[in-house]
Amino acid sequence: DAGVIQSPRHEVTEMGQEVTLRCKPISGHDYLFWYRQTMMRGLELLIYFNNNVPIDDSGMPEDRFSAKMPNASFSTLKIQPSEPRDSAVYFCASRGTGVLEQYFGPGTRLTVT
Amino acid sequence: QQQVKQSPQSLIVQKGGISIINCAYENTAFDYFPWYQQFPGKGPALLIAIRPDVSEKKEGRFTISFNKSAKQFSLHIMDSQPGDSATYFCAATAGSYIPTFGRGTSLIVHP
Repeated sequence: DAGVIQSPRHEVTEMGQEVTLRCKPISGHDYLFWYRQTMMRGLELLIYFNNNVPIDDSGMPEDRFSAKMPNASFSTLKIQPSEPRDSAVYFCASRGTGVLEQYFGPGTRLTVT
Repeated sequence: QQQVKQSPQSLIVQKGGISIINCAYENTAFDYFPWYQQFPGKGPALLIAIRPDVSEKKEGRFTISFNKSAKQFSLHIMDSQPGDSATYFCAATAGSYIPTFGRGTSLIVHP
């Protein structure tokens, strides 16, 4: 298995632009998580899905952030409009039911200028 | 509210030394305590984990010590190597298996 796949790996955009981050979880995993990592706040859980359904989005910082999971093999995290304070590394992770270990993707480094 | 407090924020150790990272939690419902290791440019990966029914778990040079009454647990890296240089996250989960992560510790092992 290729593991969790994220794209793009790096994204540089200007303030006000829309940003879409993509994730392909490990096949067979029915939980998907989006995290944001910054020096100031560490690793923050933004939202997680179970069987493509959003379960908890309380970590989504603002209405500018939205996430979708149209099918079991694809999820997106969208920021519109983006702001410089959104600059961070965004990770996607997945795991199977009853399994404790989360498998993280390589992350997307987002820079908003 | 930070439910899992991790210290130190950064740690520098000489090759061959012992690295110790500490975590404390408040929620007594936590029943699984994993440690994740993250190398630069990579996502975190599970390193070792423990349940509260044991006080210690060892895997190679890595040991978790767990003190249920104090609500504390720690990671010990024996004979630290430059290849161990990474960021380490402790975490705690309850029944939902959704981990609450500590802030992370940046470990540098000098040759």
